[in-house]
Parts: sequence; structure tokens; C-alpha cells
Amino acid sequence: AQKITQTQPGMFVQEKEAVTLDCTYDTSDPSYGLFWYKQPSSGEMIFLIYQGSYDQQNATEGRYSLNFQKARKSANLVISASQLGDSAMYFCAMRGNYNQGGKLIFGQGTELSVKP
Amino acid sequence: GAVVSQHPSRVICKSGTSVKIECRSLDFQATTMFWYRQFPKQSLMLMATSNEGSKATYEQGVEKDKFLINHASLTLSTLTVTSAHPEDSSFYICSAGQRGSSRYGYTFGSGTRLTVV
Repeated sequence: AQKITQTQPGMFVQEKEAVTLDCTYDTSDPSYGLFWYKQPSSGEMIFLIYQGSYDQQNATEGRYSLNFQKARKSANLVISASQLGDSAMYFCAMRGNYNQGGKLIFGQGTELSVKP
Repeated sequence: GAVVSQHPSRVICKSGTSVKIECRSLDFQATTMFWYRQFPKQSLMLMATSNEGSKATYEQGVEKDKFLINHASLTLSTLTVTSAHPEDSSFYICSAGQRGSSRYGYTFGSGTRLTVV
């Protein structure tokens, strides 16, 4: 069975500083994908970054980077130069093999608050 | 980019009535639609997976007779909450999967906030 764990219910960060949101996962599939989404209070799911299990390099998308440590089964999100607009819920998610239907399983989420 | 239009965004209904939520893919064919439910300050819980033209696959613990899912075309999937009760009040969100398309492959609707009174 697949499992995603986010152990930080809430995080605070000062504006312009960097913050790391933790995510660990468990799967027996050799092929999987890891995602991070941002969910503001409006409820929409905003895709941030993706890491494939066979990707050799850590993914980066602007101010977002994913610290992928395969042996430790962790996929932490790093947000550099935090902005007030970054305040939101952040979800880590994992997709298993498409043969399993390709469903996306989410972690518990981390509520990030950026302080001015 | 790919867009999934979800309606209604908010709905209030009386206990015992049924509510239909629609998700429409506007510029692509959604081969698979995932339906999630989210309670306040909690994670998205997968309710069911539907593939165009076939019956939906429900996750364990989800009542298939209460949450009716129809995916009759490649651009439209619906979730009907039948005989709604206050405990069904939640945020429902769909996500369209595109097999074989981009490596990301998921497009979320904007969600529906259901309140049953």
C-alpha cells in the first residue's frame, strides 16, 4: 500500500526567508511520481512541482525546489524567499503506477503562515 | 493549458435532497476522473475513480449508492450526492487524469462547497 506522511501540521516563516516542508512516502512500486500542491483558502489546487522516481536531478520550479532523497523516501519542498502570498495549505502527493489507475494519494497537509 | 470547469462552486441544500456536481474538461479529453472529498483543515480523501464509459471504482468505505458517479463522455463527469445529510457537508473536488499526456497529467476543478441544512 502507498502512504504519504506530512508531520508538520503548521509552519511559520518570516517573509523573504526560506522554508522546508517535510514529506515522506512509502511504496513498493519502483515507478512513482511525487507532487506538491498549494491550496489557498479559496480551495483551488495549484500544482507546484513534480519529481519522478527515476529522475536523477532534484526538480526545481522558480522559487520551489524538491529535495528528493530516494533512499530515505523523502521529498521535501523548499520555498526560497518566502512571500506573504505563500501563506496556504501545502500538500504532498504520490502517484503510483498507471496500472493501478494512476490515482493520486495526498498527505495530511502543512499550513504555512508567512509573517511580515 | 488544460482546464476543468467544476460547477456549482457553492451549494446549499436541504437534508434529504440530492445534489449534482459537474466537472467538464474544456480543451482536452479526460480519460479518467478522480473525485475527492475534503473536510476543513484536512487532507483530500479519494472517493472514487471513474473511467469514461465504465463503472466507477470506489474507495473502501465510500457508499456507491450514496455518491453516484457518471462519466458518460470524455469531457464530462458528474457526482451526485443522493439523500444528502448534514454530515455530507464538505468540499468536493474533481481531478482529471490524462493517460499518456504530460508527465504531470492532473488537472483539478475549482471545487464545490456543499452545505446540507
